[in-house]
Order: sequence, then C-alpha cells, then structure tokens
Amino acid sequence: GAGVSQSPSNKVTEKGKDVELRCDPISGHTALYWYRQRLGQGLEFLIYFQGNSAPDKSGLPSDRFSAERTGESVSTLTIQRTQQEDSAVYLCASSRTGFGSPLHFGNGTRLTVT
Amino acid sequence: QKEVEQDPGPLSVPEGAIVSLNCTYSNSAFQYFMWYRQYSRKGPELLMYTYSSGNKEDGRFTAQVDKSSKYISLFIRDSQPSDSATYLCAVGENDYKLSFGAGTTVTVRA
Repeated sequence: GAGVSQSPSNKVTEKGKDVELRCDPISGHTALYWYRQRLGQGLEFLIYFQGNSAPDKSGLPSDRFSAERTGESVSTLTIQRTQQEDSAVYLCASSRTGFGSPLHFGNGTRLTVT
Repeated sequence: QKEVEQDPGPLSVPEGAIVSLNCTYSNSAFQYFMWYRQYSRKGPELLMYTYSSGNKEDGRFTAQVDKSSKYISLFIRDSQPSDSATYLCAVGENDYKLSFGAGTTVTVRA
C-alpha cells in the first residue's frame, strides 16, 4: 500500500479486556513508532523500533502496554487489562530511517474502553 | 511545565487571511522543529521540518524558529477552506522522540 495502514480503525472494549492493535508500515521504512493521542492533548510517544536494534520503550505508560515488531514489517501494540484512561487514538508512524527522515502517520485506531 | 505549549484555539479566519500559529518550548536542547497538519479522523501529515533558527518557506507556508526565545511559528498565507484542520507543532532532541503541542484548530471561512 502507499501509506501506513492501521487496524482496526475503531475498537470498543470492556474494561479489563486485552486489545491488540496492528500497524503495517510503508514498505522499505526501517523505523516504526507508536504514539497515543488523547482528546485535546498532544501526541504522546510510546515506543520506537529501528531495524534490529533494541526498541526504545521509554514512553510506555505501564507494564500493561507492550509492542512487538516482526523484522522491518508489521507491528502490534498490546494493551492488557484495559482501563478507561487507555481510551485514545493510537497512531503508528514509519520513516525511511530513524534519523533525519520525516514520520509518515497512519490514520490511527480509536480505542474506547467502556 | 509541559515541554511544548501551544494555544489550542480555536482560530477562525476568513478566506484569504494570514493564519499565524505558534508554540513555545522549554528544553534548549531541542534542535528539530516540525509542523504537522491533521484533518479530522486522519493521521498527522508533515508540513514543515527544520533544524535551525530562521525562516523556511514552502509555497504558502512559512515556518520560523527562534532558538534564543524557544519560540516557533507557522504562517499560512492566502488561507483556503481546505487549510481548515488542526495544526500540531513538534520539537525534539532527535527526530523520533518528538514532543508535540496539543494542536491548534483552524477554520477558514469561505
């Protein structure tokens, strides 16, 4: 595809359930990022993958959050035991390299925890 | 103190007006400065990207960076209804761990 693809586009889940969000980056982009966007707030950095290097997980808000990436392709963000404060839009972005290249964002997954 | 402060607006201007947006930041180590545009229910798209003080122009868009004042601006000339969106500033020491402003919502009235 031409852009970053995220699925599902919308997810409603009950408090306490686990959710898995998927991101397909642009082909050839070695760097992949996850951000969280709460209503009325700026984007919050969650995690960064660059090639085969260890990911920068410093933005993950708690141990309920985890992410994986298979090689230089698909990434999944998993939230365990969801809480209402996890409700947000989760945005994935990719770039050609991790330094000096612009980020290309997907349209996000809108997560609502009821 | 937030790393990046941005007036959320909303800002409403008539078509053809100049739109002026700005952000302030707190960390003098920031050296990457970006502006993103985000349409409703879409992901942000990069508008302008600079790593130095001064002006950068691209068509109707001009980005200004003043590192001494820790202040960045975006100007949109001859604004169009299609410019109606939320504009996010982003700053960072490196360009992957960016700090984003909350965004300013702009409406250009036809």
